[in-house]
Amino acid sequence: DAKTTQPPSMDCAEGRAANLPCNHSTISGNEYVYWYRQIHSQGPQYIIHGLKNNETNEMASLIITEDRKSSTLILPHATLRDTAVYYCIVRVRRDDKIIFGKGTRLHILP
Amino acid sequence: GAVVSQHPSWVICKSGTSVKIECRSLDFQATTMFWYRQFPKQSLMLMATSNEGSKATYEQGVEKDKFLINHASLTLSTLTVTSAHPEDSSFYICSAPTRDETRNTIYFGEGSWLTVV
Repeated sequence: DAKTTQPPSMDCAEGRAANLPCNHSTISGNEYVYWYRQIHSQGPQYIIHGLKNNETNEMASLIITEDRKSSTLILPHATLRDTAVYYCIVRVRRDDKIIFGKGTRLHILP
Repeated sequence: GAVVSQHPSWVICKSGTSVKIECRSLDFQATTMFWYRQFPKQSLMLMATSNEGSKATYEQGVEKDKFLINHASLTLSTLTVTSAHPEDSSFYICSAPTRDETRNTIYFGEGSWLTVV
């Protein structure tokens, strides 16, 4: 079973920051938080991952709370192309298996 | 960057026939690959783990005789849906992990749409 909880859907205005929350209250000390997204009819795309420090790359920022029980993915300037289902996943770095939850369906509004 | 490629992207087959889907890692070797299926408006469901040189490991409830997996080389895994029926129509996706510590991500194929008529 997936170890994360996400809201089923969210809306965000184009050009604004999209903040996608994820709860992972049972995360273990050696588990990382990963984010993927799936645009309709495509395979999932890796976005970002982190252990306990906040992370940023060219796509997004990942904010992990100090107790690591929740995190937020931030898309700084959402565009229509960011419309997708976003999956928050926790996994041990060497455990390659990914179990997907239901994710958050993000709608970017023009 | 690392790329995982699937073929075909879509396929239509008649009920009762078998269909093969290929998953290739294009610029890295993958001793393990994963196969998922996804029904419309649902999440990805892990079907099995493909292991190079050994038998695949199937998730609970997945029929291994129906979904044959062969991982004959370090860059290729195949999924064969045998005696396909309309209820097997789905989106099938493979993934493969890299061992590059600077990336340490799992890459997914583009997916293969199977329609059984």
